[in-house]
Amino acid sequence: DADVTQTPRNRITKTGKRIMLECSQTKGHDRMYWYRQDPGLGLRLIYYSFDVKDINKGEISDGYSVSRQAQAKFSLSLESAIPNQTALYFCATSERGQDTGELFFGEGSRLTVL
Amino acid sequence: GQNIDQPTEMTATEGAIVQINCTYQTSGFNGLFWYQQHAGEAPTFLSYNVLDGLEEKGRFSSFLSRSKGYSYLLLKELQMKDSASYLCAAMDSNYQLIWGAGTKLIIKP
Repeated sequence: DADVTQTPRNRITKTGKRIMLECSQTKGHDRMYWYRQDPGLGLRLIYYSFDVKDINKGEISDGYSVSRQAQAKFSLSLESAIPNQTALYFCATSERGQDTGELFFGEGSRLTVL
Repeated sequence: GQNIDQPTEMTATEGAIVQINCTYQTSGFNGLFWYQQHAGEAPTFLSYNVLDGLEEKGRFSSFLSRSKGYSYLLLKELQMKDSASYLCAAMDSNYQLIWGAGTKLIIKP
């Protein structure tokens, strides 16, 4: 089983619908992240959390919200999906105090908004 | 602004050597990362450089020049499984990663 698990792996939805992407990890890491990846662009950080009571906006947080339900769970919500939120979304974790900053990614959630 | 530049695509031959370059401009600097991403899969960590010089790890090596804002990833004895995208990312003064768009490496027999 993967250490960082994302659900759903694929989702097609319509404009205006609420969508939740879920991430759970068994690595015991404190830090969790949500990124989106678009063709021709680098990974862009949406939100990140350094522990259960800590939530921080990333580069492109508008239109998204997150919830850190437990150390192991970090979910991303799109309250009212729009077509330009069509992308591949990755959850990632890292270890607190890890100077190399190595990220461990989930397998990705491909979201299509029609 | 902050920026990472790397070639969009490169082609190399199985068994050969290829160098993938990356230049960066960031507000402060706390290290340079290389990740490998096979099509449809998650990125996986390859290397981290924070001091100038070459770090070797098996067939893969990564080089950093902080004064030039430049790094490269060197892949030796290329194998077909090395066909992937290679992502360069620099960590800024706030310990945030700035990602390049990735270099798609195509290996031909």
